[in-house]
Amino acid sequence: AQSVTQLDSQVPVFEEAPVELRCNYSSSVSVYLFWYVQYPNQGLQLLLKYLSGSTLVESINGFEAEFNKSQTSFHLRKPSVHISDTAEYFCAVARANFGNEKLTFGTGTRLTIIP
Amino acid sequence: KAGVTQTPRYLIKTRGQQVTLSCSPISGHRSVSWYQQTPGQGLQFLFEYFSETQRNKGNFPGRFSGRQFSNSRSEMNVSTLELGDSALYLCASSYSHGAHTDTQYFGPGTRLTVL
Repeated sequence: AQSVTQLDSQVPVFEEAPVELRCNYSSSVSVYLFWYVQYPNQGLQLLLKYLSGSTLVESINGFEAEFNKSQTSFHLRKPSVHISDTAEYFCAVARANFGNEKLTFGTGTRLTIIP
Repeated sequence: KAGVTQTPRYLIKTRGQQVTLSCSPISGHRSVSWYQQTPGQGLQFLFEYFSETQRNKGNFPGRFSGRQFSNSRSEMNVSTLELGDSALYLCASSYSHGAHTDTQYFGPGTRLTVL
């Protein structure tokens, strides 16, 4: 079975500072990896995903994540955060090439931006 | 186009009662998945429906059931409610069945409180 570990439950960061949200996964087979964001009182929105190809994936709002197979990690980074980035971020994994595979989520990291 | 809608948004029930939650997927989407989100357990997969058939099921007791109608709308039912069933229930839809090249779109959730 797959599992996801998000090492930090809460991350406070000053506005315009860089941030890294850590995600490690465990799986005996190839995986797809995802980052979702949940703003207060809303559902989850897909931020970015790694399926294959380039190990560096980017979102439209300045976040990026790098798939590192040797370290089984998929950390999320942003060089300069804004107040609007305040949200909870979830890392998720699914086995690759399994057509009906469900997502397994981490426990989430709450990102708080300090003005 | 309209997003995933879930009704009701908030619900208060007492132990022993049963509850039905509804999810309307994005038009054209045929796959609907349900997740339970709690502070202690995070996001846990309940089940997925595709073309009115349950294709995947998480590790929840039989008190949790669901169904999907011919118009892809889905309902989730919880019988004999327990205090531990208090959670945010999220529905997600996608065009195809579990193919992660398709994005899952989440609704805002139904907040269930069991007293």
